[in-house]
Amino acid sequence: AQKITQTQPGMFVQEKEAVTLDCTYDTSDQSYGLFWYKQPSSGEMIFLIYQGSYDEQNATEGRYSLNFQKARKSANLVISASQLGDSAMYFCAMREGRDYKLSFGAGTTVTVRA
Amino acid sequence: DAGVTQSPTHLIKTRGQQVTLRCSPKSGHDTVSWYQQALGQGPQFIFQYYEEEERQRGNFPDRFSGHQFPNYSSELNVNALLLGDSALYLCASSSSGGSSYEQYFGPGTRLTVT
Repeated sequence: AQKITQTQPGMFVQEKEAVTLDCTYDTSDQSYGLFWYKQPSSGEMIFLIYQGSYDEQNATEGRYSLNFQKARKSANLVISASQLGDSAMYFCAMREGRDYKLSFGAGTTVTVRA
Repeated sequence: DAGVTQSPTHLIKTRGQQVTLRCSPKSGHDTVSWYQQALGQGPQFIFQYYEEEERQRGNFPDRFSGHQFPNYSSELNVNALLLGDSALYLCASSSSGGSSYEQYFGPGTRLTVT
């Protein structure tokens, strides 16, 4: 079974607008971490934001915020005030319990239009 | 402060050959993970090295092997290359003594098998 599901293959957003990228996850562990990474066309994975399963507050990092809904097993990324440089592939990932690996979703391509 | 570096950037090999990819972790990091990312997909965990030993392995055949050196750098070896091994290979480093969630990725090695 897929551990991370990203249902939006591609999205277009107007510059300066906000965009929400969906991510749902599946785990039976009580302790886990959720990550979002950005991958530009150059290929490097850039860490954006992290949310621990026990964190009560939603994580925020600059223009990035994570809308964490534990009961729904949802960890959506919100990018505010989109910029042209935000055009990239975005991946949601999870690390479960004492596991060392990250499990990634299929990704969402975001294209920011001027 | 150098980030994660990988070499080579690109590589073209013939089916049946062997290949070695190299990774130097970020300064201060002692743990290295390898991921395979096929075109249009999310990265898949291959294995993680810590203290010069394979600590965890993903669902990859024995043709994929690795090594970690005393300076924490790592190699990924793939034997008997198949066309399906064509992918972007990403190395990620982290610190066993730092924040448990921080994994920094390198720019990747793009392997093409013909």
